[in-house]
Amino acid sequence: DVKVTQSSRYLVKRTGEKVFLECVQDMDHENMFWYRQDPGLGLRLIYFSYDVKMKEKGDIPEGYSVSREKKERFSLILESASTNQTSMYLCASSFSSGGMDEQYFGPGTRLTVT
Amino acid sequence: DQQVKQNSPSLSVQEGRISILNCDYTNSMFDYFLWYKKYPAEGPTFLISISSIKDKNEDGRFTVFLNKSAKHLSLHIVPSQPGDSAVYFCAASAGGGTSYGKLTFGQGTILTVHP
Repeated sequence: DVKVTQSSRYLVKRTGEKVFLECVQDMDHENMFWYRQDPGLGLRLIYFSYDVKMKEKGDIPEGYSVSREKKERFSLILESASTNQTSMYLCASSFSSGGMDEQYFGPGTRLTVT
Repeated sequence: DQQVKQNSPSLSVQEGRISILNCDYTNSMFDYFLWYKKYPAEGPTFLISISSIKDKNEDGRFTVFLNKSAKHLSLHIVPSQPGDSAVYFCAASAGGGTSYGKLTFGQGTILTVHP
């Protein structure tokens, strides 16, 4: 049974703080993804990674960076948190077999920036 | 540029009746489509998928239909149950080796099934 875990369910940070969101998967998946979910906007891709130390920008990478030092772990970093980064953050992972694979999601981190 | 659109923000149906959720896409490179279900405070879970070489895929109470010429897909739930109440997301993938399984999601439709 695939498991994707995220370090926090709820997080409250102040404007300007550096924020780390951690994601770990236990299925040896090559691909990992970070999304944010906002009402009326669906899930929007921030960054993804297809291998250790590899990263690609998604649709909304501004204000974010990522790190993938180990295959099972993918971190999202908010260098200087702002109020417009208040959102639900979802991590996902998948196998790499030509694009026809479902993604498995973690439970999400509700981040509030005050 | 919303490449995957779910134009109905919400849908309300009676228990036992059919629920039909719709999704439109604009990118003709999409060749794999998925539906996810999301409960509050949980991550989305995979429900059903369809490849562009098919026009229908069925799994129990859930059926997905794909109309490539109209760039439209729909999810049918029959019969609907109160436990089906959730947000449903449509997603699409362009496939191929360089896509890395990247998905483009729609905005979601909130389904409420009344007892």
